[in-house]
Amino acid sequence: QLHLQESGPGLVKPSETLSLTCTVSGGSISSNNFYWGWIRQPPGKGLEWIGSFYYSGNTYYNPSLKSRVTMSVDTSKNQFSLKMSSVTAADTAVYYCANQGSAAAFFDYWGQGILVTISS
Amino acid sequence: DIQMTQSPSSVSASVGDRVTITCRASQGISSWLAWYQQKAGKAPKLLIYTASSLQSGVPSRFSGSGSGTDFTLTISSLQPEDFATYYCQQANSFPLTFGGGTKVEIK
Repeated sequence: QLHLQESGPGLVKPSETLSLTCTVSGGSISSNNFYWGWIRQPPGKGLEWIGSFYYSGNTYYNPSLKSRVTMSVDTSKNQFSLKMSSVTAADTAVYYCANQGSAAAFFDYWGQGILVTISS
Repeated sequence: DIQMTQSPSSVSASVGDRVTITCRASQGISSWLAWYQQKAGKAPKLLIYTASSLQSGVPSRFSGSGSGTDFTLTISSLQPEDFATYYCQQANSFPLTFGGGTKVEIK
């Protein structure tokens, strides 16, 4: 069974870049034709999809965040990463990484989430 | 973008009650819909995918129906562990979008 774990700084200053890593265990990022994604949830609010990718190619971003977001993968470490530039207080949220199966559709397995606060 | 509208935003119910939550898409999404359960401080959990398929390990009291623009999640007999917030999500097209959530509270 897949296990995902987010890591990164819990506090980022406004205008700086948020960087998070998701470590996958129980399966390989580069096998099974899986898609992988990031979702966030501001405190007390709903879920927002950030983006999804397939390890060898296709990447999809939420247009509302596309100009500030980059996702990448390190298959040697079985990890994938999220970078979001020029953050503001509105980017304060719990960030989740997740597995989407082969159809880039639904989120089967989730990490526990990491709270990132944007504050000086 | 496809907008997902859930109703009600909250519902108070008792153990043993039948609870129905609805989700409406702003345009047709065929059966590309999922339901998630989220408990406080935890990641969402996939309950239902492709509108009516039960995820492995999810109790059979949960069921989903609908296609096109109108969908429902039904809990046939509410159990204490079902008090949570429920979200729908469309996967018909990018960007993937979620409903605003329905909080199921104890009456």
